[in-house]
Amino acid sequence: DTVMTQTPDSLAVSLGERATINCKSSQTVLYTSNNKNCVAWYQQKAGQPPKLLIYWASTRGSGVPDRFRGSGSGTDFSLTISSLQAEDVAVYYCQQYYTTPLTFGGGTKVEI
Amino acid sequence: QVQLQESGPGLVKPSQTLSLTCTVSGGSISSDNFYWSWIRQPAGKGLEWIGRVSSTGNSNYNPSLESRVSMSIDTSKNHFSLKLMSVTAADSAVYYCARHDVPGASQSWFDPWGQGTLVTVSS
Repeated sequence: DTVMTQTPDSLAVSLGERATINCKSSQTVLYTSNNKNCVAWYQQKAGQPPKLLIYWASTRGSGVPDRFRGSGSGTDFSLTISSLQAEDVAVYYCQQYYTTPLTFGGGTKVEI
Repeated sequence: QVQLQESGPGLVKPSQTLSLTCTVSGGSISSDNFYWSWIRQPAGKGLEWIGRVSSTGNSNYNPSLESRVSMSIDTSKNHFSLKLMSVTAADSAVYYCARHDVPGASQSWFDPWGQGTLVTVSS
């Protein structure tokens, strides 16, 4: 299985400050047909299903604010929230879809 | 806009079979050869992919659950289903259904998701 290791487990950030979450895959997730990395990021607020934020490691989903930015290559990926808003309090998960079984990181809880 | 809704018993006895259905609205489950997945989340824990089924009925499962899992699709009812056999307390979780967002792609990100349904395994 491709293990997705997220760090940190949790972080507290002041309103308006930057939050960065890291995700490391245990093997490459590069799709050579389009030279893009098969990594997605989700936001899960309490009592809700996950919501897609980012796919192909850096492409924002429909309607996702531009303060959310995905980056990375190889086996190291990051999600950055450039200016944390109160509504961004949630748990964030990375996911690889390069190979089965499809796997998720353990989650990072972001608090104010 | 496609929406998904899980349904099924909220309580299942140990050793029995968990059966859930995901009903798709706002679009045809058989259009564009989308893949459809089940994902679960134990209370306070992370997400685990259970498996997927295509609109043509092809299925693939997580090896960790493969011996106990079965998925099917019913295009006439616009829903797909999950069966998990011989359940134990460790199978208690919120179960989500989700669509793979890229038509014809068996491996892609998930969007949209259903709201989830809590299943508790207890006697």
